[in-house]
Amino acid sequence: QKEVEQNSGPLSVPEGAIASLNCTYSDRGSQSFFWYRQYSGKSPELIMFIYSNGDKEDGRFTAQLNKASQYVSLLIRDSQPSDSATYLCAVNTGSARQLTFGSGTQLTVLP
Amino acid sequence: DTEVTQTPKHLVMGMTNKKSLKCEQHMGHRAMYWYKQKAKKPPELMFVYSYEKLSINESVPSRFSPECPNSSLLNLHLHALQPEDSALYLCASSQERSNQPQHFGDGTRLSIL
Repeated sequence: QKEVEQNSGPLSVPEGAIASLNCTYSDRGSQSFFWYRQYSGKSPELIMFIYSNGDKEDGRFTAQLNKASQYVSLLIRDSQPSDSATYLCAVNTGSARQLTFGSGTQLTVLP
Repeated sequence: DTEVTQTPKHLVMGMTNKKSLKCEQHMGHRAMYWYKQKAKKPPELMFVYSYEKLSINESVPSRFSPECPNSSLLNLHLHALQPEDSALYLCASSQERSNQPQHFGDGTRLSIL
């Protein structure tokens, strides 16, 4: 069974620090990786995605892939209280349009 | 603001009612999805439409009936639901290629009495 695992947290970091979120996946055929942010009571919002060919940086967010170890990480620099949310990792194996979601990591940024 | 619009935002219905959830996207996407999300759980895929044809049905009970009238619209018809069907129902869309990101609507919060 294809699985995606995340540490459920909660993860707490002080304002201005770097928050590091990790996700491991079991299917070596996975080709695309997505990070969604979900505020309580709201729908998931796409914040980053990367493919198997490399890392990506967008503003304060960096997504990194380690194919050998089968994990993907999301770094949030200069964390803000508004970053407090649940972060969902999702993986697509490329053979279908199905995303396999991790259980999510709850992040709290303390003022 | 999201580019995938879902209506209604909230719905309360009895177990004998028939209602429909609606989803609309204007991003030119050809794949559309229905997910169900319970509190503190990740979204669970229900249905996938590709070019207006149902391509994936994740063994969803027949009391949920999807419909894709055109490439921009997706409906979910509900009938004889159970209290455990209370959840956030999310619609998403993506470009046709399977590695493209899915964009979610705001969801419909459904409560079954």
